[in-house]
Formats: sequence, C-alpha cells, structure tokens
Amino acid sequence: KAGVTQTPRYLIKTRGQQVTLSCSPISGHRSVSWYQQTPGQGLQFLFEYFSETQRNKGNFPGRFSGRQFSNSRSEMNVSTLELGDSALYLCASSLEGNANPHFGNGTRLTVT
Amino acid sequence: GEDVEQSLFLSVREGDSSVINCTYTDSSSTYLYWYKQEPGAGLQLLTYIFSNMDMKQDQRLTVLLNKKDKHLSLRIADTQTGDSAIYFCAESIGQAGTALIFGKGTTLSVSS
Repeated sequence: KAGVTQTPRYLIKTRGQQVTLSCSPISGHRSVSWYQQTPGQGLQFLFEYFSETQRNKGNFPGRFSGRQFSNSRSEMNVSTLELGDSALYLCASSLEGNANPHFGNGTRLTVT
Repeated sequence: GEDVEQSLFLSVREGDSSVINCTYTDSSSTYLYWYKQEPGAGLQLLTYIFSNMDMKQDQRLTVLLNKKDKHLSLRIADTQTGDSAIYFCAESIGQAGTALIFGKGTTLSVSS
C-alpha cells in the first residue's frame, strides 16, 4: 500500500511569489492535514480537511490556504511568499475515527 | 488555545531508562501521541493513548497519562544509541483525525 505522497520534494521560490504543494493521501483516507515544521517554531498545524471541507484551522495568516478534492487529494497554497515561510511542509492522512495519522516525507520549501 | 509543552533535551547512557515528559492543555483531546523523528527523516508514530486510559505498554515503551494534571510521559526501557532522535508529544484536536497540536520536541541523546 502506497504511503502519503507529497510533491514536489524540494522547491525554491523568490519572495513575493506564490507556491502550490500537493499531497496524495493513502487510499481510503479522507482526513488530510498540513503542518509547517521550522527549527524555531517546531511543528505547527495549518489546517485539516475532511470530505472536501476545512474542519480545523491553525493560527496562520490568510496567505496560507488549502483545498481538498473529491478523491481526497489535497493542495496547499501560499501566496506572497516571505523569507519566514521557508520550512518543511508535512501532510498527514488518516481514516476517519482512526488514531493513526500517517505522515508524508514533506516538501522542503526555500524562499530566497 | 491548545498548547503542548515538553522539555527540550534529555541525555542518558545506553542501557538506562529514558523518561520524556509532556503537558497539554486541551482536556477534550481524544488521543495523545508520541512521535519520533530522526535527522533528515519523516515523523514515525511510536505509540498513542486514548484519553480514558492511564497506561499503555508496547514492548520497550510505556506511556503514562495523568488526565487530572494533563501530564503525559513516555518511558523507553533499555535505551539504545539507535533511540537517539527528537521525540514529539502531540494532542488531537477534538476527535480522531489528522489535526494535532505538537510540542516543540525533546532531543534524546544516548551515549555508549
């Protein structure tokens, strides 16, 4: 069974640009969440999607947005990139009601 | 809002027991988790405990939950050098899904 797949693995962008990251959950998983990991702030929750609806949201500015498609794949978008957005972005998926979120290997975003 | 706190560093000798502590704030969390992250690697779920349990044992790992004090601990018996990693405590946001609040992580260093 394939794990959580995140693309691309690495990305370099310039300040002011926007970026879209993709997450394909494990087959059958309908809950998908996104996290930002930085050395200073640790792992911070961005948002959770379930059945194409945002169910929970963390404390991030509106520049961070996401969506989920009918096949449960999810994308997150960051507009007007700032240097501080450089981070590892992780995606997790799980079956509804299952206490075992599976994490992808992440997308490493570098903003110059 | 939700918050999870844990000590940042722990150093032990090989063969000793390690105890990593964590406090959390959201009493409605259904599940509490311990994750392990090795350098350059993704997040590995070590174990989790349902909020109505006091203890869970899984081979060398023992999780203790004091719900009254909102305190969670992870004990690793017979700690090995391969256990050197960052350990994250996390609480679920509401019911089981993928929305978690993480602590900043405890770096465990095991010396031989």
